[in-house]
Amino acid sequence: EIVMTQSPASLSVSPGERVTLSCRASQSISDYLAWYQQKPGQAPRLLIYDSSTRATDIPARFSGSGSGTEFTLTISSLQSEDFAIYYCQQYNGWPPVWTFGQGTTVEIK
Amino acid sequence: EVQLVQSGAEVKKPGESLTISCEASGYTFTDHWIGWVRQMSGKGLEWMGNIYPGDSETRYSPSFQGQVTISADKSIRTAYMQWSSLKASDAGMYYCARKRRHGGGMDYWGQGTLVTVSS
Repeated sequence: EIVMTQSPASLSVSPGERVTLSCRASQSISDYLAWYQQKPGQAPRLLIYDSSTRATDIPARFSGSGSGTEFTLTISSLQSEDFAIYYCQQYNGWPPVWTFGQGTTVEIK
Repeated sequence: EVQLVQSGAEVKKPGESLTISCEASGYTFTDHWIGWVRQMSGKGLEWMGNIYPGDSETRYSPSFQGQVTISADKSIRTAYMQWSSLKASDAGMYYCARKRRHGGGMDYWGQGTLVTVSS
């Protein structure tokens, strides 16, 4: 089973700052990685798929990069609505067998 | 408009059976895998398993294999998650979500079904 490890577990950021979140896979997953945002009381929302492709209606301040085992989600200028928990998810292989990372909480500084 | 509408909150006792549902609309139900995700209170997301309603092919996470049963009825565009004997540790929020047709990522999510298991 592929294990996904996110870092840091949490971070405190001021609005307007640039944020970089990391996700590491226990083995190569090519670019089969998605990022989700979850706010309290809400279902997760797909931000990025295939490592770097923004999902529909996702603002350009969100970007993803990486391949193999190391991945990054960057928020170029954090907005108030971006304070949330972010999860990475791998979907390497067929039929689809997936794993989530444990999440990174982005809090207001 | 794509929608996944899940059944309502459940309160059950340990040992009871339970089936929760996820009704899809706004797209061709048989063209997309549906996944189920658990979120225990204050915890992260756990992928439980997927089903392809077109042929009912199913895959489970090793953590949930044998613990739950995922099924789908394409005639009514509904996916199901079933427990035969609930445990207290099954309590949590359960989400269904649609996988993008080509490639990965779960692009539409249900609103979640809260399952409480208490004696």
